[in-house]
Amino acid sequence: DAGVTQSPTHLIKTRGQHVTLRCSPISGHKSVSWYQQVLGQGPQFIFQYYEKEERGRGNFPDRFSARQFPNYSSELNVNALLLGDSALYLCASSPWGGANYGYTFGSGTRLTVV
Amino acid sequence: GDSVTQMEGPVTLSEEAFLTINCTYTATGYPSLFWYVQYPGEGLQLLLKATKADDKGSNKGFEATYRKETTSFHLEKGSVQVSDSAVYFCALSDRDTGTASKLTFGTGTRLQVTL
Repeated sequence: DAGVTQSPTHLIKTRGQHVTLRCSPISGHKSVSWYQQVLGQGPQFIFQYYEKEERGRGNFPDRFSARQFPNYSSELNVNALLLGDSALYLCASSPWGGANYGYTFGSGTRLTVV
Repeated sequence: GDSVTQMEGPVTLSEEAFLTINCTYTATGYPSLFWYVQYPGEGLQLLLKATKADDKGSNKGFEATYRKETTSFHLEKGSVQVSDSAVYFCALSDRDTGTASKLTFGTGTRLQVTL
């Protein structure tokens, strides 16, 4: 079975632009979470979706938004990019949403804002 | 709020040495605790977990025991290999309703194992 797939793998954007990152969970997994990992830091929680509904939101500005589609794939959108948005964006899927079931992480999208 | 504190790295060990990476946490309620590993250029992989006090998680020779009295979850391995070189993250989840939870991570500890 394919793991969690994220696209694109790398991306360079200019300040003020908009970006869309995509994630396909493991087949059968209904929950997708997004994390931001700044270089040298641990991942920070952005959003969690389960059954297409937002179940949690981290301490990120409204420039960050996400959605989950009927096939359980997900998009993370970031508007008005800032230099500080440069990071590795990780997607994680799980069967039900609870962390105790175990999250499977993708390899991430490396976003560079110049 | 919830937080996880890990020992600063990098940790440099010779192959077959004993490994300890310290992790302590602050959380309300009764969190579940995790260790994740990140190899260069890859995402995070779950290494082991413990969901209640005194539980011991173990995998691939690594183990960690959930110590509620000291709010700790230290990672240990008796004999490290070069292939264990990676960044290790301690994490907790304290709002697990079965359908919603989030992970709070430490800053990570880089382990480098040399021959």
